[in-house]
Amino acid sequence: DAKTTQPPSMDCAEGRAANLPCNHSTISGNEYVYWYRQIHSQGPQYIIHGLKNNETNEMASLIITEDRKSSTLILPHATLRDTAVYYCIVRVSSGSARQLTFGSGTQLTVLP
Amino acid sequence: NAGVMQNPRHLVRRRGQEARLRCSPMKGHSHVYWYRQLPEEGLKFMVYLQKENIIDESGMPKERFSAEFPKEGPSILRIQQVVRGDSAAYFCASSRSGTVTEAFFGQGTRLTVV
Repeated sequence: DAKTTQPPSMDCAEGRAANLPCNHSTISGNEYVYWYRQIHSQGPQYIIHGLKNNETNEMASLIITEDRKSSTLILPHATLRDTAVYYCIVRVSSGSARQLTFGSGTQLTVLP
Repeated sequence: NAGVMQNPRHLVRRRGQEARLRCSPMKGHSHVYWYRQLPEEGLKFMVYLQKENIIDESGMPKERFSAEFPKEGPSILRIQQVVRGDSAAYFCASSRSGTVTEAFFGQGTRLTVV
């Protein structure tokens, strides 16, 4: 699996957009970028995933660079409840959940 | 449709005792995964089961740990003769087909060994 690199921590003001970067320079052509988050004391929660096109759902937007070597997760209007560790994971889409590799992630703190 | 249910949420065991962690997958899900999160670390895959079968146990410690997913009832992660290093949060995930995107995680069981 491609390795990902994320900043260890970020702060964001409540109501502002939170932009979480992820580098995955060794990503393969058939690998997707997945984002999960883990709110304190809870299990990981799937957020979004994409291959090469930008994706948007009710939770977030995912922007993938043209060369696919990096991506950004955007929470458009961060709330205090978005405070969590965010994990960027690269996997083939048909891969099993057994192969989810969670790194250290980015601790996002949304400030009032 | 209830989510993945894990119980107990918190479990305290003395060194040498056995710990049993239960996971009830979402309705219609026949694939179960167990992950462990040690303090200040990321989640690590332990074992993947389908009904009555262990598919991949490459992340399981060689001794004292076992898992099952019987035809009826929840999946069980069993830790015999617990030691302090087993203290961690244990998460279960389930999916319908086994693919990444469809996996849903439970709230976890926090095991403390005293």
